[in-house]
Amino acid sequence: RKEVEQDPGPFNVPEGATVAFNCTYSNSASQSFFWYRQDCRKEPKLLMSVYSSGNEDGRFTAQLNRASQYISLLIRDSKLSDSATYLCVVGRGGATNKLIFGTGTLLAVQP
Amino acid sequence: DTAVSQTPKYLVTQMGNDKSIKCEQNLGHDTMYWYKQDSKKFLKIMFSYNNKELIINETVPNRFSPKSPDKAHLNLHINSLELGDSAVYFCASSQTGQWYSGTEAFFGQGTRLTVV
Repeated sequence: RKEVEQDPGPFNVPEGATVAFNCTYSNSASQSFFWYRQDCRKEPKLLMSVYSSGNEDGRFTAQLNRASQYISLLIRDSKLSDSATYLCVVGRGGATNKLIFGTGTLLAVQP
Repeated sequence: DTAVSQTPKYLVTQMGNDKSIKCEQNLGHDTMYWYKQDSKKFLKIMFSYNNKELIINETVPNRFSPKSPDKAHLNLHINSLELGDSAVYFCASSQTGQWYSGTEAFFGQGTRLTVV
């Protein structure tokens, strides 16, 4: 079982739809949480950090539930340009500082 | 001006060969990484260096040898290439190796390695 689990999708949605991605992580020592976006044949780029109180950036809302070890990303009013793979990422500190990536969820926004 | 640059972008080579991938960051970051993205698109950390010192070696075969001549460079040398080494290799950097909300890893464009 992977340390960070996501539904691989694909999620095929029409423009303007609202879509939600979920992610669970297994290591309770995880300290920080992120969503990265990866376009086809490109490098991953930070979309947003996820804070305990939840946070919003334009059409994107991220939530964290530490008790359930669950992270979510909501995209409202989907655009064609939102089509990409969304990676749930967990940061672990201590002696083994590293970012651990989920397998990613593929989103395809259709016209 | 590219923040994290790696070369080459594509590398096709025969089994058994030795090859190197170079990475440079101009962000002034202390920590650099190599990640491998396999055919299933799963990104897995291979190595982490902080100020030229190895911090993480994620049970990578010793055919893979990273080298950091200074904190702005982290190169990856691979000996005796195997078919299973075919993947996209990403170099990345971050300000420090500590992961707090708001910190960010910057990735290079990736090197697509194909072993034939």
